[in-house]
Amino acid sequence: KAGVTQTPRYLIKTRGQQVTLSCSPISGHRSVSWYQQTPGQGLQFLFEYFSETQRNKGNFPGRFSGRQFSNSRSEMNVSTLELGDSALYLCASRDGYEQYFGPGTRLTVT
Amino acid sequence: DQQVKQNSPSLSVQEGRISILNCDYTNSMFDYFLWYKKYPAEGPTFLISISSIKDKNEDGRFTVFLNKSAKHLSLHIVPSQPGDSAVYFCVGRGSTLGRLYFGRGTQLTVWP
Repeated sequence: KAGVTQTPRYLIKTRGQQVTLSCSPISGHRSVSWYQQTPGQGLQFLFEYFSETQRNKGNFPGRFSGRQFSNSRSEMNVSTLELGDSALYLCASRDGYEQYFGPGTRLTVT
Repeated sequence: DQQVKQNSPSLSVQEGRISILNCDYTNSMFDYFLWYKKYPAEGPTFLISISSIKDKNEDGRFTVFLNKSAKHLSLHIVPSQPGDSAVYFCVGRGSTLGRLYFGRGTQLTVWP
């Protein structure tokens, strides 16, 4: 099976803009979780989607949102970008207990 | 609030020797602990796990020990190999399967 894929891999945006990141889970996996990795805070949970419904949400402002489609693909959106949003954004899919991570999208906000 | 803590950001070990990575946690509700390994430009990959009702789990060169009373766990790699050089994350998981709590990671370097 193909692994978790994320697009784009790299992205540069300007403060105030918005951005949409995409994640395609492993075939058959219905759960997708998103994480933000920064040098200062480490890897932090953003939210989880299962069967198109958000199941859990981490402690992030409302500028961070997501959705999941009927084919389990997921997108996350960050509006009104701030410099502090520069990070590696990772998504993970699971079918059971183990989470499988994609390679991440490196977002740089200037 | 960092519920999983890895206090050593880096560890350097000679090839063939034992690597010991340590981790502390504060959340008593974690029912599973996992270790993930991450190479540059790749996502974290699962390495080994341990249930909170166990005190040891072994898989080849990798052994994880759990001391619940001290809220401490450790990952032992014996013998260490240069290919083990990576960032190792200690991870806690509670009843919410889709949410993992990561430590900040320890960069392990194994030199020949």
